[in-house]
Amino acid sequence: KNEVEQSPQNLTAQEGEFITINCSYSVGISALHWLQQHPGGGIVSLFMLSSGKKKHGRLIATINIQEKHSSLHITASHPRDSAVYICAVEPGAGSYQLTFGKGTKLSVIP
Amino acid sequence: DARVTQTPRHKVTEMGQEVTMRCQPILGHNTVFWYRQTMMQGLELLAYFRNRAPLDDSGMPKDRFSAEMPDATLATLKIQPSEPRDSAVYFCASVKTLDGGKGFNQPQHFGDGTRLSIL
Repeated sequence: KNEVEQSPQNLTAQEGEFITINCSYSVGISALHWLQQHPGGGIVSLFMLSSGKKKHGRLIATINIQEKHSSLHITASHPRDSAVYICAVEPGAGSYQLTFGKGTKLSVIP
Repeated sequence: DARVTQTPRHKVTEMGQEVTMRCQPILGHNTVFWYRQTMMQGLELLAYFRNRAPLDDSGMPKDRFSAEMPDATLATLKIQPSEPRDSAVYFCASVKTLDGGKGFNQPQHFGDGTRLSIL
């Protein structure tokens, strides 16, 4: 079973700061997902990536398959970015199960 | 925008009662998942279906939980009898997967969840 570790567990930042959330996993995967969960509970998929880097607005996700590591970056953070960010890995090879990290709770203070 | 719809949004009931949660996946999505989220364990997979066939329910306590997909537009998760430790948020998600075991080709779409409290 894949072990998915996220760091930090909690993160408080001032508005405008550059933020990095890390995710590492123990077994090779076919893809990695970053999810966002706002207070009140809804879960939204931010990125799905299997190599390299993806960018969407102020969010950037990178993955290093050899090192089994991914990072989610937020540039010019804003209070509306406050949420829990969850990393999940997909094994591929016909298995559709996701294994989730415990999440990183981000609070951006004005 | 197409959405995964879950009902009810909230459910409070007493221990021992039957609980049924429903999910309407996005039209055209052929793979449906049930997840449970708790503070202690985070998100965990309970069961999932592909083309309405159950593929894996190893994450589900079989003695009290059951998951079905009576048709392509409805998935259900039942707990009978319910226990206080079942209190959690239950999420349904759907995605369209391709044949040939190629895994996901698109991100999963999550419903808003059912917040279940068993007293």
